[in-house]
Amino acid sequence: AQSVTQPDIHITVSEGASLELRCNYSYGATPYLFWYVQSPGQGLQLLLKYFSGDTLVQGIKGFEAEFKRSQSSFNLRKPSVHWSDAAEYFCAVGARAAGNKLTFGGGTRVLVKP
Amino acid sequence: EAQVTQNPRYLITVTGKKLTVTCSQNMNHEYMSWYRQDPGLGLRQIYYSMNVEVTDKGDVPEGYKVSRKEKRNFPLILESPSPNQTSLYFCATLSGTGNYGYTFGSGTRLTVV
Repeated sequence: AQSVTQPDIHITVSEGASLELRCNYSYGATPYLFWYVQSPGQGLQLLLKYFSGDTLVQGIKGFEAEFKRSQSSFNLRKPSVHWSDAAEYFCAVGARAAGNKLTFGGGTRVLVKP
Repeated sequence: EAQVTQNPRYLITVTGKKLTVTCSQNMNHEYMSWYRQDPGLGLRQIYYSMNVEVTDKGDVPEGYKVSRKEKRNFPLILESPSPNQTSLYFCATLSGTGNYGYTFGSGTRLTVV
């Protein structure tokens, strides 16, 4: 069965500083990997996704993520955080072979200090 | 515009009073799914449907029912809601061909008192 772990429940970062959110997954084959963001009171917005190919994936809002097979990780990064990046971030893994089920991590809440 | 529409957005109900949360999509996607979101647990799959008349349990199906009589609609039914079903619910569809990816509805915040 597939699973996702986001080790950090909360992260506080200063505006303008860099951000890295960790995601570790468990799946037997190469999974489809996703990062979503949820602003307070809002739905889920897709930041980026990885299926295959280049292991560094660019997304919206200046985010990028790197797939590392050897570490079973898909960490999300942003070089310079804006106050509007304060939100909850979810890593998710899916696979056609797993019936297209999308499994989410517990989420990381990001607070941005002025 | 491609979208997944859930109704209602907010609902407060009492224990035991049957309710239905509707989900409708206009993308002709075969795969649809329901998730619940709880603090610290992320989103967990309740039920999913691979196509019309084909539904199956996800990770947390207890206390829920679904139906898929037509491709565009996938209602979530709580026959006898309990307080532990207080949660934020999301419907999602999957484009399994071309641009593979999930589209989520805006969510339904349910409170059972």
